Amino acid sequence: DGGITQSPKYLFRKEGQNVTLSCEQNLNHDAMYWYRQDPGQGLRLIYYSQIVNDFQKGDIAEGYSVSREKKESFPLTVTSAQKNPTAFYLCASSDRPYGYTFGSGTRLTVV
Amino acid sequence: DQQVKQNSPSLSVQEGRISILNCDYTNSMFDYFLWYKKYPAEGPTFLISISSIKDKNEDGRFTVFLNKSAKHLSLHIVPSQPGDSAVYFCAVFIQGGSEKLVFGKGTKLTVNP
Repeated sequence: DGGITQSPKYLFRKEGQNVTLSCEQNLNHDAMYWYRQDPGQGLRLIYYSQIVNDFQKGDIAEGYSVSREKKESFPLTVTSAQKNPTAFYLCASSDRPYGYTFGSGTRLTVV
Repeated sequence: DQQVKQNSPSLSVQEGRISILNCDYTNSMFDYFLWYKKYPAEGPTFLISISSIKDKNEDGRFTVFLNKSAKHLSLHIVPSQPGDSAVYFCAVFIQGGSEKLVFGKGTKLTVNP
């Protein structure tokens, strides 16, 4: 079955550490996105990529980095510069303007 | 500044009654709107959409209404069922160079049996 896989589902990080969240899709979609969900904040766009080897900052990119070396993969690194990293992270992909497919998310907690 | 506003953080209705979720947007140039449904610890799933050339789109129990002059859209669920209890996000598709979805903050719907 085609879809988006985010791993791990739960992730714990010590303060000061970088951590990478995985997002893989087998839908053959060109575009991929990372959103962050906080209580009462909705979904806020972190980074997005319309094509391999290209990506753009979203609304809250500070403290995050991404890469897009393969069409199928769009990993997100939460760096130590991100002041409030505890959140629910969602990856999505699309092959047409309106058809977003979301993964099941990764819950990151800083301990 | 928020481009998509959902001013009601929560809504509670009785099973069988109508649920009405509201959304306002700021830019009259926006031309495609979507509703997503999200359960806790899961990704959002697409529910229904509407283009600005229409004022209504219906899919089963779900209907979205668009009022362009008021820059307002609403999602009607009739009849509401307990399984509809979830967070509903309104989103607008922004075009022009960097295409992306921008979401509202969501409304948590609770349907009571």
